Amino acid sequence: KQEVTQIPAALSVPEGENLVLNCSFTDSAIYNLQWFRQDPGKGLTSLLLIQSSQREQTSGRLNASLDKSSGRSTLYIAASQPGDSATYLCAVPSQGGSEKLVFGKGTKLTVNP
Amino acid sequence: ETGVTQSPTHLIKTRGQQVTLRCSSQSGHNTVSWYQQALGQGPQFIFQYYREEENGRGNFPPRFSGLQFPNYSSELNVNALELDDSALYLCASSPSPGRSYEQYFGPGTRLTVT
Repeated sequence: KQEVTQIPAALSVPEGENLVLNCSFTDSAIYNLQWFRQDPGKGLTSLLLIQSSQREQTSGRLNASLDKSSGRSTLYIAASQPGDSATYLCAVPSQGGSEKLVFGKGTKLTVNP
Repeated sequence: ETGVTQSPTHLIKTRGQQVTLRCSSQSGHNTVSWYQQALGQGPQFIFQYYREEENGRGNFPPRFSGLQFPNYSSELNVNALELDDSALYLCASSPSPGRSYEQYFGPGTRLTVT
């Protein structure tokens, strides 16, 4: 059974700081990994999708890496801004099928002005 | 192109009651998945519907049921509500069942059971 863990659960940083969010998964036989952003009480917005054949993916100030063999992914946010404050979730397709996503509990990020 | 919409936005029900949540999929998408997100937790997969049939189910009891209509919109029904059913319910649509990486999420319905 696939399990996803995210560390830390919460993070508070001053504006402008670079930061790293961590995600680990128990079954390395994944097709891809996604990072999502969730604002309070809202739905999920997909930020980055990394296919199993890729090692990293970039979008603006965001960079996500994937190490399948160790079951880990990191999301790097450069020059953080108050608007980055949100909960960040990583998700992988479930073991034995890709019809459902298995999510971590998320990291709640607060960027202070 | 319209996105995924859900109704209602918020709902308050009493323990033991029944509730129906609705989801309209994104244009061109024939697959709808439902997730439950309790406070402080990640979303948990409830089930998926494809062409009006259930296509996979998570670890939820039978009192959680669903429907998909010919226009690919969907309903989530929960009977005999319990306090632990209080959560944000998210639906996501995708172009086909095997493309979870192309799931687009709606804004969610916040259900409170008292």
